[in-house]
Amino acid sequence: GQNIDQPTEMTATEGAIVQINCTYQTSGFNGLFWYQQHAGEAPTFLSYNVLDGLEEKGRFSSFLSRSKGYSYLLLKELQMKDSASYLCAVKGTGANNLFFGTGTRLTVIP
Amino acid sequence: DGGITQSPKYLFRKEGQNVTLSCEQNLNHDAMYWYRQDPGQGLRLIYYSQIVNDFQKGDIAEGYSVSREKKESFPLTVTSAQKNPTAFYLCASSILGNTYEQYFGPGTRLTVT
Repeated sequence: GQNIDQPTEMTATEGAIVQINCTYQTSGFNGLFWYQQHAGEAPTFLSYNVLDGLEEKGRFSSFLSRSKGYSYLLLKELQMKDSASYLCAVKGTGANNLFFGTGTRLTVIP
Repeated sequence: DGGITQSPKYLFRKEGQNVTLSCEQNLNHDAMYWYRQDPGQGLRLIYYSQIVNDFQKGDIAEGYSVSREKKESFPLTVTSAQKNPTAFYLCASSILGNTYEQYFGPGTRLTVT
């Protein structure tokens, strides 16, 4: 079976740094994706990790440890517009299926 | 502008009626997907298709049907057999291959009363 865990909600202050964790147990692994989703809108792609280590893309970075089944998304210099849900998704083996966690709702406060 | 369109944004139906949600993409992607999103749950895969005239069931296909007659289009029918159809439905597409992200449409919020 597939199990992907993320915290349900987080709150952080504008200008600060926040780390959103994701742990996974899946029957196969072909990479981990992070998506951002504003309420009532489509998820948009943020990052993809398939090898261990940190991928940096502007204010957002994503880290993966395959041996630990663990990833995190790091958001720096938080802005109010970063208030959204952040979805962790693992690509399993076979087909193109993505398995999604429940998402972490981040609220950025002034 | 390339992208995925879903229409309508909001859809209301009476219980017992079938309803079809449209999904069109002009990204030239081979693969297309339908997900359902409920509060407090992750996106769950309903159906996916990797090539025209072929599609596969996802984790929660019961009560749904799809067709893939054209590369650009992947409509989803929510039948009266779906016991709890009220949800936010998201269509996505991607290039085939492990490293390619899925692009999502804006979603259709279906309410059945």
